[in-house]
Amino acid sequence: KAGVTQTPRYLIKTRGQQVTLSCSPISGHRSVSWYQQTPGQGLQFLFEYFSETQRNKGNFPGRFSGRQFSNSRSEMNVSTLELGDSALYLCASSAGTSGGRTDTQYFGPGTRLTVL
Amino acid sequence: QQPVQSPQAVILREGEDAVINCSSSKALYSVHWYRQKHGEAPVFLMILLKGGEQKGHEKISASFNEKKQQSSLYLTASQLSYSGTYFCGTAEGSNYKLTFGKGTLLTVNP
Repeated sequence: KAGVTQTPRYLIKTRGQQVTLSCSPISGHRSVSWYQQTPGQGLQFLFEYFSETQRNKGNFPGRFSGRQFSNSRSEMNVSTLELGDSALYLCASSAGTSGGRTDTQYFGPGTRLTVL
Repeated sequence: QQPVQSPQAVILREGEDAVINCSSSKALYSVHWYRQKHGEAPVFLMILLKGGEQKGHEKISASFNEKKQQSSLYLTASQLSYSGTYFCGTAEGSNYKLTFGKGTLLTVNP
């Protein structure tokens, strides 16, 4: 089976712009979680989707949003980019119905976002 | 609230053992362990569930003290390939999200 894929892998934007990142989960996986990884804060949870429903959201401002499509592919959007949004954005998919609670999460390679 | 990992970093020689700890102030439903090598995605190592069930790699050993909300990952007879950053993730019973600690950088030298 193909692993989790994320596109694009690298992105450079300027402050004030918006960006959309895409994640394709492993075939058959219906849960997708998104994380922001920075050197100072580690992996921080953004949101989790299951069957097109957002079940949990992390402590991020409303500029961060996401959605999941019927084929389980997910996108996250960041509007009005700030310098502090520069990070590696990882998505992870899992096969069961419990998301991060009890299911193994399979991570994609991430999208490296740089905001200038 | 992020779980707290200790130590923040550890350096070993091949063949030595290490223990990485993870503690939370919240009542946990499960504890997950992942390893991330530089420039790569985190890779699953183990899940420890409330009640004692464990899922993970045979060569990995870990414990979960439900009363203290603490977990420990035991790395024995370390190999060079064990080098990387180890993250613990914790989940509560009321939601589906995984909250990760800041990581423990493990370096194994020849």
